[in-house]
This record gives sequence, structure tokens and C-alpha cells, in this order.
Amino acid sequence: AQSVTQLGSHVSVSEGALVLLRCNYSSSVPPYLFWYVQYPNQGLQLLLKYTSAATLVKGINDFEAEFKKSETSFHLTKPSAHMSDAAEYFCAVSAGGRISTSYGKLTFGQGTILTVHP
Amino acid sequence: EAGVTQSPTHLIKTRGQQATLRCSPISGHTSVYWYQQALGLGLQFLLWYDEGEERNRGNFPPRFSGRQFPNYSSELNVNALELEDSALYLCASSLGDRDTNYGYTFGSGTRLTVV
Repeated sequence: AQSVTQLGSHVSVSEGALVLLRCNYSSSVPPYLFWYVQYPNQGLQLLLKYTSAATLVKGINDFEAEFKKSETSFHLTKPSAHMSDAAEYFCAVSAGGRISTSYGKLTFGQGTILTVHP
Repeated sequence: EAGVTQSPTHLIKTRGQQATLRCSPISGHTSVYWYQQALGLGLQFLLWYDEGEERNRGNFPPRFSGRQFPNYSSELNVNALELEDSALYLCASSLGDRDTNYGYTFGSGTRLTVV
């Protein structure tokens, strides 16, 4: 079974401040991990993904995330927030081989709404 | 390159009716996934089709069904609509079975409202 917990349903930062969105996962097999962003009334856009290569993953718009197996975490960071970063962010996990009931399925966290103040 | 396209953008139906949602994957993608994003329930996996076959199914009742056509486009059908079926339905696509663990590309969704 796989699951994702996003700590904090709302995060508020000032423009130019560090963005830190927290994600912890649970998986019985080595996971693949993702961060998606959703702007109002839109679909999901992939920010970055971890697929068992480098543990520090760089994505679009200066976002990055670090896979820490010992902490089962995959936190998302950005050094300097922009107003345009205001959106909802979802962490997701995919795990399991072809015989797993989870195969092909992304399990999402509940989302974190990021607000950026001027 | 066109992304994942979904139609219609919005759909309003009456309780008890049937709804049909459509999805066209990115060119070259053979896998199509459906997710439901309902208020307060988050993103829930519905169905996965690859090469015309249903490969996996989420924990939804049988009145949620779908199919994939030879051109890899897909339909999601929801029968006997209930008020709680109101949600944003997202379609996604990927290169196929071998790529399914590497994430997929989502469309903009169909907003289904049941009244």
C-alpha cells in the first residue's frame, strides 16, 4: 500500500521568501515521487519527479525537492517566492510492479495551498 | 505538440442521468488515466486504460465505466448520476505500460455538476 501526507493544508509566505512544502510518503517498495501544481480552474502540471536517480531533483520555475529515504520525505522548496507561485501543490507517489494493485496508480496527498503576500 | 485535451469543459446534468466525458491523449501516448477531484475528497484514481484494455480500477462503483478507442482516446461514462458525483474529472496520458511509474501529463479537466 502507498500513501502520502502533506503537512499543512495552507502555507503563507512573503514574496521573495523561502517556500517549503512538506511531504511524507509511505510505500512498501521503492517509490517514485512527484510534485504537481494546480492553478485555479486548471489541471495538474508536473513540477518535478524522483525516479530513483539523483536524490536532489530540480524542476521547473526553480523548484526542487530532496528525496530522503531515512525520513520518508520529499519536501518541495523554492529559494524565493513569486506572486505567480500562488496555487495548490500536490505530492504524489507511484509504487508497485505489474502484479501490484497499485500499478499505474498515483496516490495524491490532500494538497497544500500556497499563498504569496506582496 | 497538443497536450491532453478534454471535452466538454463544463457539464451540467440532472440526478439520475448519464454523463459522458471525453479525453484525447498526447500523440504517441497509449495510456489514459481518469481521476476524480471532488471537494473535500482530494484526487482519487478512477481508471487506467492502455492499448484498449482496462489495466487498473479505483474504488468506485460499477456505474463509473469507460473505454479506450483504437486511436487511444477515451470516454468516461457515469450512469445514474448522484449529487456527490459533482467534481472535476481529470484525464491524463503517458507513453504506456512501461512508462506508467514515471508520472503522466494531465488535461485541464471536465467540471461535472449534478443538480
